[in-house]
Amino acid sequence: SQQGEEDPQALSIQEGENATMNCSYKTSINNLQWYRQNSGRGLVHLILIRSNEREKHSGRLRVTLDTSKKSSSLLITASRAADTASYFCAPGRGVDMRFGAGTRLTVKP
Amino acid sequence: GAVVSQHPSWVICKSGTSVKIECRSLDFQATTMFWYRQFPKQSLMLMATSNEGSKATYEQGVEKDKFLINHASLTLSTLTVTSAHPEDSSFYICSAPGPPSYEQYFGPGTRLTVT
Repeated sequence: SQQGEEDPQALSIQEGENATMNCSYKTSINNLQWYRQNSGRGLVHLILIRSNEREKHSGRLRVTLDTSKKSSSLLITASRAADTASYFCAPGRGVDMRFGAGTRLTVKP
Repeated sequence: GAVVSQHPSWVICKSGTSVKIECRSLDFQATTMFWYRQFPKQSLMLMATSNEGSKATYEQGVEKDKFLINHASLTLSTLTVTSAHPEDSSFYICSAPGPPSYEQYFGPGTRLTVT
């Protein structure tokens, strides 16, 4: 199994600012996924990035992957109050996926 | 993207009773589904892998006789918490790999409270 560890554990920013969250993992992967979880809800799939990709964009989200450092980052640009949630990275797929504690992002209006 | 639903969204039951939670893939077929449990302010912990037409695979430390999993069709998996106790109170979430790239799609979760 493969667990991602998110950093920082908590992040508080003002609306309009950018938010960067980091993820580290231990063994080689074929892909990595980022998810968002609003309080008391299920996880929403944000982006899947493959091991042969270095960067991927989706709207205001930018994900990078550095397989040599076994790390990934999620950048949310021009944050909004609605972005307030916990963010998790998940290296690997399916039964091999394990979740870390996540990054709790608070965007203040 | 693909949609996974869960029912019920919340349930309150008395200690000693059993509760069934359903997980459905609405617009795709899933031979495999996953069940997670999440305690407040903690991460998701994988409980078991549900396999259509065969027995579920449980993670270490998860009692298979307490958490019964049935994956009777390609779109439905059920988790039954038997003889529930207050310590079973938690948020239960299922997921399934779906199109286009078999990324994991999660249900909205079921809040179980055992009194």
